[in-house]
Amino acid sequence: DVKVTQSSRYLVKRTGEKVFLECVQDMDHENMFWYRQDPGLGLRLIYFSYDVKMKEKGDIPEGYSVSREKKERFSLILESASTNQTSMYLCASSLSPQETQYFGPGTRLLVL
Amino acid sequence: GQQLNQSPQSMFIQEGEDVSMNCTSSSIFNTWLWYKQDPGEGPVLLIALYKAGELTSNGRLTAQFGITRKDSFLNISASIPSDVGIYFCAGLGNFGNEKLTFGTGTRLTIIP
Repeated sequence: DVKVTQSSRYLVKRTGEKVFLECVQDMDHENMFWYRQDPGLGLRLIYFSYDVKMKEKGDIPEGYSVSREKKERFSLILESASTNQTSMYLCASSLSPQETQYFGPGTRLLVL
Repeated sequence: GQQLNQSPQSMFIQEGEDVSMNCTSSSIFNTWLWYKQDPGEGPVLLIALYKAGELTSNGRLTAQFGITRKDSFLNISASIPSDVGIYFCAGLGNFGNEKLTFGTGTRLTIIP
């Protein structure tokens, strides 16, 4: 079975802090994705990566950056957290862009 | 970007009832996926559809890929308490380096 893990289930940070969200997958997937989920808005794509050191902006990249130094790990970085970044963050991976995406359990981030 | 309209937004049903939900798109998709998200967890894939007209079952769940390739339906028969959660449709086109487009979700609540 595909396993996607996220470093934290819950995080509380203060405005202005730098925040790192880590995601690891164990199925040698090429593609990895970061989404945020907000009530009534569904899942919105922040960034994705189709190879090591490659990244592409999704629909809402502002205020975020990403890092993919190793194939199995994709990090989402909030350079200076703001309250409007309070959300549920979901990581996903897939073998190729046309394949099914598998999701991690999510990180619920609260920015005070 | 592409839009996916998912309806209904929420459903309140009694245990044992059947459930129907659907997604419609403004453009053609080559793949339709249905996910379920339990409270506090990441989405889990329920059913994948790859061909127009395809009807696929997974236990009490049945999903169909619409003939026009612009819609998909999910039915749950004889609902049980563990069916509670949010159901998402997702579509994948064929426009190059593709990303999934998600519906906004249907929240299913079962009334005791």
